[in-house]
Amino acid sequence: DGGITQSPKYLFRKEGQNVTLSCEQNLNHDAMYWYRQDPGQGLRLIYYSQIVNDFQKGDIAEGYSVSREKKESFPLTVTSAQKNPTAFYLCASTGTGESPLHFGNGTRLTVT
Amino acid sequence: AQSVAQPEDQVNVAEGNPLTVKCTYSVSGNPYLFWYVQYPNRGLQFLLKYITGDNLVKGSYGFEAEFNKSQTSFHLKKPSALVSDSALYFCAVRDTAGNNRKLIWGLGTSLAVNP
Repeated sequence: DGGITQSPKYLFRKEGQNVTLSCEQNLNHDAMYWYRQDPGQGLRLIYYSQIVNDFQKGDIAEGYSVSREKKESFPLTVTSAQKNPTAFYLCASTGTGESPLHFGNGTRLTVT
Repeated sequence: AQSVAQPEDQVNVAEGNPLTVKCTYSVSGNPYLFWYVQYPNRGLQFLLKYITGDNLVKGSYGFEAEFNKSQTSFHLKKPSALVSDSALYFCAVRDTAGNNRKLIWGLGTSLAVNP
């Protein structure tokens, strides 16, 4: 079955460490997205990529970085510059503009 | 400015009763409208969308939504609620003006269906 796989499901890190969240899709989608979800704040866009080797900052990109070297993969690095990294992170992908987003099951990151 | 509003943080309904989760939007061009559902500690699942055509859209799990252009609304409905419908519901809009494929999201409405 086609879908989006995010790993790991839970991630724990110490403050000051960079951490990379994995997102892989086998839906042959061009566009991929990273969102951050905090209680009561809905989904906030971190980065998105509409094609391989290209990506754009979303609304809250500071302290995050991404790469898009392959169509299937869009890893997100949470750097030590991100002031409040503890959150639920969601990766999504889509084909055409009319198509809905397909989401992974998320990674819950806890930084202490 | 582009925006989506879900005016109710929480909706409570008895099992078997009809439910409505409200969504209004503001965009400059024609909207593509979407509803998603999220269960605890999971990703969002697509329920239904309005792109063009019939204003009443039917989706997954018996849900439907009505596009109302004059009121800029896209309320989610279900004739008879189930306890298993209890979840977090998100409305989203894509503005077709310009080449931006970003979605604008509402803050979500928590639906509680009581047995």
